[in-house]
Amino acid sequence: DAGVIQSPRHEVTEMGQEVTLRCKPISGHDYLFWYRQTMMRGLELLIYFNNNVPIDDSGMPEDRFSAKMPNASFSTLKIQPSEPRDSAVYFCASRWSEGVETQYFGPGTRLLVL
Amino acid sequence: AQTVTQSQPEMSVQEAETVTLSCTYDTSENNYYLFWYKQPPSRQMILVIRQEAYKQQNATENRFSVNFQKAAKSFSLKISDSQLGDTAMYFCAFMPTNAGGTSYGKLTFGQGTILTVHP
Repeated sequence: DAGVIQSPRHEVTEMGQEVTLRCKPISGHDYLFWYRQTMMRGLELLIYFNNNVPIDDSGMPEDRFSAKMPNASFSTLKIQPSEPRDSAVYFCASRWSEGVETQYFGPGTRLLVL
Repeated sequence: AQTVTQSQPEMSVQEAETVTLSCTYDTSENNYYLFWYKQPPSRQMILVIRQEAYKQQNATENRFSVNFQKAAKSFSLKISDSQLGDTAMYFCAFMPTNAGGTSYGKLTFGQGTILTVHP
């Protein structure tokens, strides 16, 4: 069974540009999480969805960040406009509420904003 | 709010030896899970081991085991017979499981411990 899939794996962009990160959760999982990892702040939960509905977006740093989950197999995290301080590794994770309480992580997207 | 503390920024061990990584947490929740994740240089987050708080028996997964002390809110990871492939950053994480609670399903991570296994 395929794990969580994220694309792109690496993204380099210039300040002010729009960035879209994509995630495909494990089939059948009903929870999806977006995390950001930086040296300064470690791993932070940005937002999570349950059955495609955003449940908690209190970790989203500011209005420049938005996330959507139009269906059970796809989610996006968008940054517009991007800033150098957004440079980080962004992880997507998914979990099945009826199974063991474990989140499975994707490989991450390394974002560099110049 | 939950906090997870890993007091050892870096650890090193010789191949085939045993090493223990420390983790403490603070919470008012009664029901929760604790996890250790491994992040090798590839940056992939890999689950190492999981412990349910209601279970008194310590979890084990091959060479990995935990020492879970609920009253002390301590959750250490022991790696036996260390291998070069164990070199990675290790994260301790906490997740409350009280359905309906505001923190339900949210993972809180510690700062991580960089483990280096030397040949």
